[in-house]
Amino acid sequence: EIVLTQSPGTLSLSPGERATLSCRASQSVSSSYLAWYQQKPGQAPTLLIYIASNRATGIPDRFSGSGSGTDFTLTISRLEPEDFAVYYCQQYGSSPLTFGGGTKVEI
Amino acid sequence: QVQLVQSGAEVKKPGASVKVSCKASGYTFSSYYMQWVRQAPGQGLEWMGIINPSGGSTNYAQKFQGRVTMTRDTSTSTVYMEVSSLRSEDTAVYYCARGLGWECRYWGQGTLVTVSS
Repeated sequence: EIVLTQSPGTLSLSPGERATLSCRASQSVSSSYLAWYQQKPGQAPTLLIYIASNRATGIPDRFSGSGSGTDFTLTISRLEPEDFAVYYCQQYGSSPLTFGGGTKVEI
Repeated sequence: QVQLVQSGAEVKKPGASVKVSCKASGYTFSSYYMQWVRQAPGQGLEWMGIINPSGGSTNYAQKFQGRVTMTRDTSTSTVYMEVSSLRSEDTAVYYCARGLGWECRYWGQGTLVTVSS
């Protein structure tokens, strides 16, 4: 099973700042099948990024993903008020699919 | 547009079973795998397993082997997820989700299952 470790656990930033979130895998993620999700309280998660760097439909270009192998990054270039949420990475290249523990981006 | 509509909240006693449904619309049901993900209160996301609606084959996380069953009904475009021998730790919001591949691009609204005596 691939274990995903997200860091930091909490990121305290202000609107307009840049956010850099890390997701490290215990072994290489096949074909960079790594996704990022945003979750706000009381809501289902929303897909942001798939295959490590592809933005999902309707996702603003301030969100970008990068990385391969075991190290992946989600970058939010300039935080908007609506971006304060919890972010999860997921690998879906090998079974069992697994999620990271999440990073909370707070004001 | 793709819609996944789940059944309503459930309250169950320890040892009982619960069956959650997820009705799909807006696409060809048999063409895309469906996953189940759960989230305990205040916790992260946990992958439970996946079903191929075309043939019904399943793949469960080892943690849930023997206690979770995923099925589908192609006539109603509905997938089901049943958890047996419920315990308090199974209290969670259960989500169905579908992707183009195995990412979770579309999500149901979630079903809260509460296990309490």
